[in-house]
Amino acid sequence: GAGVSQTPSNKVTEKGKYVELRCDPISGHTALYWYRQSLGQGPEFLIYFQGTGAADDSGLPNDRFFAVRPEGSVSTLKIQRTERGDSAVYLCASSPYQMNTEAFFGQGTRLTVV
Amino acid sequence: GENVEQHPSTLSVQEGDSAVIKCTYSDSASNYFPWYKQELGKRPQLIIDIRSNVGEKKDQRIAVTLNKTAKHFSLHITETQPEDSAVYFCAAKYNTDKLIFGTGTRLQVFP
Repeated sequence: GAGVSQTPSNKVTEKGKYVELRCDPISGHTALYWYRQSLGQGPEFLIYFQGTGAADDSGLPNDRFFAVRPEGSVSTLKIQRTERGDSAVYLCASSPYQMNTEAFFGQGTRLTVV
Repeated sequence: GENVEQHPSTLSVQEGDSAVIKCTYSDSASNYFPWYKQELGKRPQLIIDIRSNVGEKKDQRIAVTLNKTAKHFSLHITETQPEDSAVYFCAAKYNTDKLIFGTGTRLQVFP
């Protein structure tokens, strides 16, 4: 596809369970971002990849959150021992290598922890 | 710290009037400032951006101004239309290339 793709679009899980959220960036985009957006709030930065490496993971709220991008393309955000407070829309965005260019967002994964 | 403040949180205007949304950022090294529009249930989409080497940029009814000294930047929408109703987010790129977003402005344009 031409755009950023995120799967699943919706995920309902029980408290304490493990979840994985997937992001397929635009082909050729080396920069990939994960954000979390709660209702009525702006996107909250979680982690940023440049290629395979996490250039900045300072936004991850705690050690239950982890993200990988092993081949520099698809990324997976992993959340262990989910809590109700993790419920939000998780957005992924990608941009070309060049600095100061548009970041294109996926449609998000709505995570609900019950 | 890395912070982007955005005002107002809500803005209601009559169709045809202008709307202005203001943001401030904390890092003087920031050099890229995009604005995103998000309609209900949809992904944020870029509407305009400005880089630190210019003070103003215009695209039809939308303009953005940047004051690097004051660390302010603003979005101006002229001749507003009902389809402009959405949530608007400003953002600033910080030194590790991460994009920090403001808290959003809900714009309502009444016919």
